[in-house]
Amino acid sequence: KNEVEQSPQNLTAQEGEFITINCSYSVGISALHWLQQHPGGGIVSLFMLSSGKKKHGRLIATINIQEKHSSLHITASHPRDSAVYICAVNEYGNKLVFGAGTILRVKS
Amino acid sequence: GAGVSQSPSNKVTEKGKDVELRCDPISGHTALYWYRQSLGQGLEFLIYFQGNSAPDKSGLPSDRFSAERTGGSVSTLTIQRTQQEDSAVYLCASSLEDRGSGSPLHFGNGTRLTVT
Repeated sequence: KNEVEQSPQNLTAQEGEFITINCSYSVGISALHWLQQHPGGGIVSLFMLSSGKKKHGRLIATINIQEKHSSLHITASHPRDSAVYICAVNEYGNKLVFGAGTILRVKS
Repeated sequence: GAGVSQSPSNKVTEKGKDVELRCDPISGHTALYWYRQSLGQGLEFLIYFQGNSAPDKSGLPSDRFSAERTGGSVSTLTIQRTQQEDSAVYLCASSLEDRGSGSPLHFGNGTRLTVT
């Protein structure tokens, strides 16, 4: 079993829909990251969380430390949101462990 | 300010040759990570530096891979006797990080390595 599990693996949405991507982890962590990778592009850090909730524009990330679960929400989705979204956790000692990623496609 | 810089951006090499990949982290960032992403695959952790020391080398796939970091800044990843399965995008990331606390990651654009 992977230490970091993401769901769904693939997601297709219509423009304007509310999108949720989930991440569960099984190890103790000091922080959780949500990353975005566009096709052929680099990786951008969206959020770094250790508790609670963060919001940036149409993106919201939440984390529940007790349940070892995080969600990334996209409101009013747009085709330019199409990308791979990756959850990664800092294990204690700082090693980063990555989820397999969620491929999001938003259709217009 | 400047972000994480990696060079070269592309490298094509013949099987059996050695290659060196370079990463210039953001100034002042103490933590530096190397990853690789093979075609169609997820991110694979290779090695982590805190300052000049490498507390976690567990991701290096074989003894042909080595990395060093000098002056708490620039890092080089060396692959000896390259094999075709080494072909991947090699990514570097840095963060301003105290041990165990975590902080935002900044990624370079990667080096695309092709072994022919």
